[in-house]
Amino acid sequence: AQSVAQPEDQVNVAEGNPLTVKCTYSVSGNPYLFWYVQYPNRGLQFLLKYITGDNLVKGSYGFEAEFNKSQTSFHLKKPSALVSDSALYFCAVRSYSGAGSYQLTFGKGTKLSVIP
Amino acid sequence: DGGITQSPKYLFRKEGQNVTLSCEQNLNHDAMYWYRQDPGQGLRLIYYSQIVNDFQKGDIAEGYSVSREKKESFPLTVTSAQKNPTAFYLCASSIGLAGGTVYEQFFGPGTRLTVL
Repeated sequence: AQSVAQPEDQVNVAEGNPLTVKCTYSVSGNPYLFWYVQYPNRGLQFLLKYITGDNLVKGSYGFEAEFNKSQTSFHLKKPSALVSDSALYFCAVRSYSGAGSYQLTFGKGTKLSVIP
Repeated sequence: DGGITQSPKYLFRKEGQNVTLSCEQNLNHDAMYWYRQDPGQGLRLIYYSQIVNDFQKGDIAEGYSVSREKKESFPLTVTSAQKNPTAFYLCASSIGLAGGTVYEQFFGPGTRLTVL
C-alpha cells in the first residue's frame, strides 16, 4: 500500500530563517507526491506536486520541494519563513484504489510555527 | 477554497439523528471526495465519486452515506450508526480519477460537526 510519513508533529522556525517540513514515502511504482497547507478552520490549499522530471519542484507562495528517490523523501522547503506561513502542512501520495481509479493518501500533518 | 462550497460551516447534532452535509462545486470536475479530519490523524477518505450516479467507499465509510445525482453536488449523510461523528468534514473535487494524468484536489472550507 502507498503511504507517506511526516516524522515531525511540530516544527518551529524563526522568521527569516529557512524552513523544512519533512515527508517520506513508501510506494510501489512511480511516486506522485503532493503538498497541501491548511490554515485554522479552513480547507486545504494545494502547494505543489511532483510527477516526474526535475527533482526540485516550485510551488505557490515561495515554497519548493525536493524529491529524493534514494532517500524516498519529498521535503517541503522555503528559503525565508514568514509568520504568515504558520499553518498545518500535509504531504500526500497518489495511491491506486482499484478499477482504474486513484485517490490521495495523506500524512498526519506537521504544524509549522514561525516565531517573530 | 474557491469553486467548492460546503454548508453549513458549523453543525450540531443530537445523538440518534441523521444529518446531511452539503458540498457543491462549480469547477466542472468529474471526481468528488469526502474526508474526515480528526486532530493528529490527518485526513481519512470516507467516500469518493468518479462520475454521476456512481460512488465508492473509502477507508472509513461505515456510518456514512452519499449520493451523486448531479455533477456539481455530493452530499454526505452522517447516520446514527456513526458512533463518533464529531469531526471536521472536508469535501474536495478534482478533474478526474482515472488514467495517467495526475490531478490535484481542490478543497472546500469544511463543516465542523459536533454531537451534543
